[in-house]
This record gives sequence, C-alpha cells and structure tokens, in this order.
Amino acid sequence: GPKVLQIPSHQIIDMGQMVTLNCDPVSNHLYFYWYKQILGQQMEFLVNFYNGKVMEKSKLFKDQFSVERPDGSYFTLKIQPTALEDSAVYFCASSLAAETLYFGSGTRLTVL
Amino acid sequence: GEQVEQRPPHLSVREGDSAVITCTYTDPNSYYFFWYKQEPGASLQLLMKVFSSTEINEGQGFTVLLNKKDKRLSLNLTAAHPGDSAAYFCAVRTGGNNKLTFGQGTVLSVIP
Repeated sequence: GPKVLQIPSHQIIDMGQMVTLNCDPVSNHLYFYWYKQILGQQMEFLVNFYNGKVMEKSKLFKDQFSVERPDGSYFTLKIQPTALEDSAVYFCASSLAAETLYFGSGTRLTVL
Repeated sequence: GEQVEQRPPHLSVREGDSAVITCTYTDPNSYYFFWYKQEPGASLQLLMKVFSSTEINEGQGFTVLLNKKDKRLSLNLTAAHPGDSAAYFCAVRTGGNNKLTFGQGTVLSVIP
C-alpha cells in the first residue's frame, strides 16, 4: 500500500535545542498530519495541513511548534525550543482526500 | 469534542481462539470509523475503514461490527494466529472536521 516515510526513526536532543522531524508523504496526497503518542498512551492529534496552510491544530500544538512543506518536499514538524514533555513518538500521516490516513512508522524523540 | 474509549488495553489469547476489541465513542455525528494494526517499530497499517451506514464489515480473518445506537465499534478476530500479535487502534472521524480521534490501543498477544 501507500508508504509514508519518516526520518529519522530516533532522535535524542538536549532540552532547549531545536529539532526538525521530517516526513515524506505519499506522492499524490494533499492532506498532511502530525500525531503525538506518549509511551503507553493513545495517539493524539496535533495538526493538519492542506494547501500550504494549517487547517486545524489541537491544544497540544504549542507555540513552539511549527509545520511546513516547502516546495512539495518533506512535510516537517519543528519544535523550538524543545521541552522535556515533548519526548514522545511523533507520527506523520497523509491522505489524498480528507478520508483514509496513511501513517509513517514514527520518530521517537527523546529530550534530555 | 469526540472521545473514544478502547478496551481492553491488553489481551492474551491462544492460537485459534477469537479475540474481541471494543471501542465506544461519544459524538453521534461520527461517520467514519477505522481500525489500524501496529507491529513493533512499524507504521500503523489500515485494516478496515467503515462508513456509518454499514453495520457488519467482513475482512480477511476478522469482522468489524458497528452499533450506532450504542455508539460501539468492535473488531472480532475469528481464529487468532501468532501473526496477529500487535497493537490495535480504533479511530473515529466526526463530521465537519478533518482529524481522527484514536482509542487508547489494545496490545494483543496470541500464544502458539
């Protein structure tokens, strides 16, 4: 089936640093999403993105978070500065229409 | 907003036995329902999507039942085998927005 790739699979950084998580969505998809999963807890919606704009974001999408997809390349989630509570697995997803989401395998972020 | 409750969090069954995972949701406007399977270190794999008009949905080795009156969605694995061992997540889309609300997940172990 369609594949969403996330790079890197693991990232360890010091608190206060900036981090960028990269997502290579399915090539013809138009909608892009980030979800956050803290270990042992459910996946929670962060943001969705369409036509170059944030369509909707949750209260978990703090001011330190930003997303972009410059020139149809990677869909990125940037956190600046990072905090300890940002440690989690971040899942990227994409969809053609606002319907079936296809997920990547996640990036495990550890903030020390 | 929509809330999804998934039970049980852990389930252990013997090979050949059935396994049932259930989600309940709160918003009667929810109209698309999904089951995802996640093996360790892998992405979420879509098992089935269900539209609200279909109560019984047959897959390969499993059935998804939707009870709109009770706002309950269940995944029934008819004869589990070790390859079914994974985490399973339900997800619900509610009318008017473009995001999925996930259940907490169920870790299924199938013992040979």
